[in-house]
Amino acid sequence: DTGVSQDPRHKITKRGQNVTFRCDPISEHNRLYWYRQTLGQGPEFLTYFQNEAQLEKSRLLSDRFSAERPKGSFSTLEIQRTEQGDSAMYLCASSLEDRGAYFGPGTRLTVT
Amino acid sequence: KNQVEQSPQSLIILEGKNCTLQCNYTVSPFSNLRWYKQDTGRGPVSLTIMTFSENTKSNGRYTATLDADTKQSSLHITASQLSDSASYICVVSDTNGGGNNRKLIWGLGTSLAVNP
Repeated sequence: DTGVSQDPRHKITKRGQNVTFRCDPISEHNRLYWYRQTLGQGPEFLTYFQNEAQLEKSRLLSDRFSAERPKGSFSTLEIQRTEQGDSAMYLCASSLEDRGAYFGPGTRLTVT
Repeated sequence: KNQVEQSPQSLIILEGKNCTLQCNYTVSPFSNLRWYKQDTGRGPVSLTIMTFSENTKSNGRYTATLDADTKQSSLHITASQLSDSASYICVVSDTNGGGNNRKLIWGLGTSLAVNP
């Protein structure tokens, strides 16, 4: 499978706990994006990387959120001290330069 | 304000029939327009992507058209299958910031149900 993969697919956590998601982009894609999608809405941009450099962070990305792409390949998104409002689908996408983004299957987070 | 509007909001068709979904946008400047298919609880899957110079693009049973003058696009699905049941989302990228994937304006989608 050469598509974008994400792990885990589902995560249930208690409020206040930390969670970490992983994204493996399409191998030749140099750009990687994180989005958040709530029910009935389009994905909202959170942050993106060009290779290992994090070039932009949305104001939606509070201090509790951090993303890394240490070697310019896979990326992780960590949420500290989760809140119920963090419950959403977290989508990762990758692209080659400015071309169309290919999305992963998403990680659905439920904070209880 | 940059917006993407889709119609109809929902559609029910019988298996084997064709259908056409509409997208109107007010995004300016315009970089490209994409159609995605999204199953419930899954990530969006790209169907087509068109720049302003392209009028039509096909991907199997999916054919997208674009009229950059009237800022309208359509997605035509031929010989529908049960597996086509999903949300179809029109997404427009503007050229601010190079038109890359961080500047995507999403429509609310057309929910398509294909019944046997």
